[in-house]
Amino acid sequence: AQSVTQLDSHVSVSEGTPVLLRCNYSSSYSPSLFWYVQHPNKGLQLLLKYTSAATLVKGINGFEAEFKKSETSFHLTKPSAHMSDAAEYFCVLLSGGYNKLIFGAGTRLAVHP
Amino acid sequence: EAGVAQSPRYKIIEKRQSVAFWCNPISGHATLYWYQQILGQGPKLLIQFQNNGVVDDSQLPKDRFSAERLKGVDSTLKIQPAKLEDSAVYLCASSLRTGQSKGPYEQYFGPGTRLTVT
Repeated sequence: AQSVTQLDSHVSVSEGTPVLLRCNYSSSYSPSLFWYVQHPNKGLQLLLKYTSAATLVKGINGFEAEFKKSETSFHLTKPSAHMSDAAEYFCVLLSGGYNKLIFGAGTRLAVHP
Repeated sequence: EAGVAQSPRYKIIEKRQSVAFWCNPISGHATLYWYQQILGQGPKLLIQFQNNGVVDDSQLPKDRFSAERLKGVDSTLKIQPAKLEDSAVYLCASSLRTGQSKGPYEQYFGPGTRLTVT
């Protein structure tokens, strides 16, 4: 079965400190993985995607993620948090041949001054 | 380019009433998706259209939910009758097409409709 587990429901950091949002996946196939961000009252926005090319993927707003097959992980990081990064983040697995997305439960990131 | 449009943005109804949501995808996008996002959870796919045909509706509660995509453009999702557990945000998304021969194709999401059933 294909699934996504986000290991933290809430993460709180201070502005200017590093961000780490953890994600593990389960897939019978070589996976395609994404991170989406959801700001309050706004639509989901794609941050970055992994599709079997380079294992270190760079996204928008300074975020990046590293695909580790041996650990079945796809953690999201950012060297220095900004207040505007406060949002809900979803790790997402592409399932099957019809572009079906399987979402994790989400991690709410809070950034404190 | 214009994004995915949804209306209404908010809706409050009583249980056993009916409700309908509307979605207008990005122009030229052949694939349209409806998701349900319950508070504290990630979005769950309800139904996926390729043009005006259904590709996947395995998680759509067909006894009360229905969806159509006439002419392969706009789509409507209906709930009749609504239950308390239907309270959620309903998200519409679109992508150029489905399949992975040259994909995956990025899905673009609308702002959602927040439904409260009392």
